[in-house]
Amino acid sequence: EAQVTQNPRYLITVTGKKLTVTCSQNMNHEYMSWYRQDPGLGLRQIYYSMNVEVTDKGDVPEGYKVSRKEKRNFPLILESPSPNQTSLYFCASSPGRSPTQYFGPGTRLLVL
Amino acid sequence: AQSVTQLDSQVPVFEEAPVELRCNYSSSVSVYLFWYVQYPNQGLQLLLKYLSGSTLVESINGFEAEFNKSQTSFHLRKPSVHISDTAEYFCAVTEAGGTSYGKLTFGQGTILTVHP
Repeated sequence: EAQVTQNPRYLITVTGKKLTVTCSQNMNHEYMSWYRQDPGLGLRQIYYSMNVEVTDKGDVPEGYKVSRKEKRNFPLILESPSPNQTSLYFCASSPGRSPTQYFGPGTRLLVL
Repeated sequence: AQSVTQLDSQVPVFEEAPVELRCNYSSSVSVYLFWYVQYPNQGLQLLLKYLSGSTLVESINGFEAEFNKSQTSFHLRKPSVHISDTAEYFCAVTEAGGTSYGKLTFGQGTILTVHP
């Protein structure tokens, strides 16, 4: 089944403890992206990647890192999480120059 | 850069009544437009999209949206809603062509609640 998967789906952590949220897609898509969803703000893009080894900042990149070593994977790294990073995170992918993005199931993060 | 405004944060409606969820966008270039739906405790699903051609687009579950370039709108409508349509709906826009084709800009979301 063609899909975008994220792990973990739920995570509670404490301030300053490094964490990684994985994202993987099995559709051979070139483009991948991370968004965070906050009430009343919709979804905002954190980082995106046009292809392997090509990443760029979105609208809210502060406090996050990403890497794209393989086409299928696009992990989101929080080096030192803070409570204002408590949010619902979505990974998305799209093929080539298609504008249609396919979303993962989301990762709900709580930083205490 | 683009921006999207969803004019209603919450829309309550009775079952079998019609509904319209409003979306306006701002952009200096041509755009592609999308509606995504998020059911409770689930991820985002693509509901419908406008890329080119007919300005009226439809989804498989009875929703439709019309691209109005002069009014820069992409309102979502359904003539008769069901309880199962209760969800949050997001309007999104991206630049047509260009180098930022993959960047979706989302509206704030509209929570549709269908009452029996």
